[in-house]
Amino acid sequence: QQQVKQSPQSLIVQKGGISIINCAYENTAFDYFPWYQQFPGKGPALLIAIRPDVSEKKEGRFTISFNKSAKQFSLHIMDSQPGDSATYFCAASSEYQAGTALIFGKGTTLSVSS
Amino acid sequence: GAGVSQTPSNKVTEKGKYVELRCDPISGHTALYWYRQSLGQGPEFLIYFQGTGAADDSGLPNDRFFAVRPEGSVSTLKIQRTERGDSAVYLCASSLAVSSSEQFFGPGTRLTVL
Repeated sequence: QQQVKQSPQSLIVQKGGISIINCAYENTAFDYFPWYQQFPGKGPALLIAIRPDVSEKKEGRFTISFNKSAKQFSLHIMDSQPGDSATYFCAASSEYQAGTALIFGKGTTLSVSS
Repeated sequence: GAGVSQTPSNKVTEKGKYVELRCDPISGHTALYWYRQSLGQGPEFLIYFQGTGAADDSGLPNDRFFAVRPEGSVSTLKIQRTERGDSAVYLCASSLAVSSSEQFFGPGTRLTVL
């Protein structure tokens, strides 16, 4: 049973456009929701994260929107650039359960065309 | 300071052989995680350590997989009698403490079992 569902699988956006990636989770015990960026041949790098006490978090061009009642969260990349082309993973974990292992979505491959 | 390092970066082995994958976490990080990432998928949790002990090994797929962290720093993931299905990228991550949600990933070891 997939605990974190991510969509779309792939996304093509023009330079300067907005990229939106969505995730939905099932476990209400999750209380930490990070997004990771991964380039080919590299490990995932933490991009931005949110906890359920806020509905939105913004860092530069990256914004997480969080909807606790719907158990959904999304990543918005404003003014998308070719350098943003990568695979993005949403994840979730529970700080208060044993083993704060991250549960990852399947990833979204973003291509930003110039 | 240096990030998480993993060696080797690539490992090619034959079916039935034994392999060891090494992870050197960020200095001072007490929590260490191993994940496995198959092609086109998100990382999947294998095991985590708090200090020297394996606090949760529920993600290990079977008893051919074993990991150690004898001095609470470097960890080795050991795979016996490798199978073609073990081919994947093995990622290591560390965090300041188990209670810290931020996990920092290494570049991974790409294991290919022929």
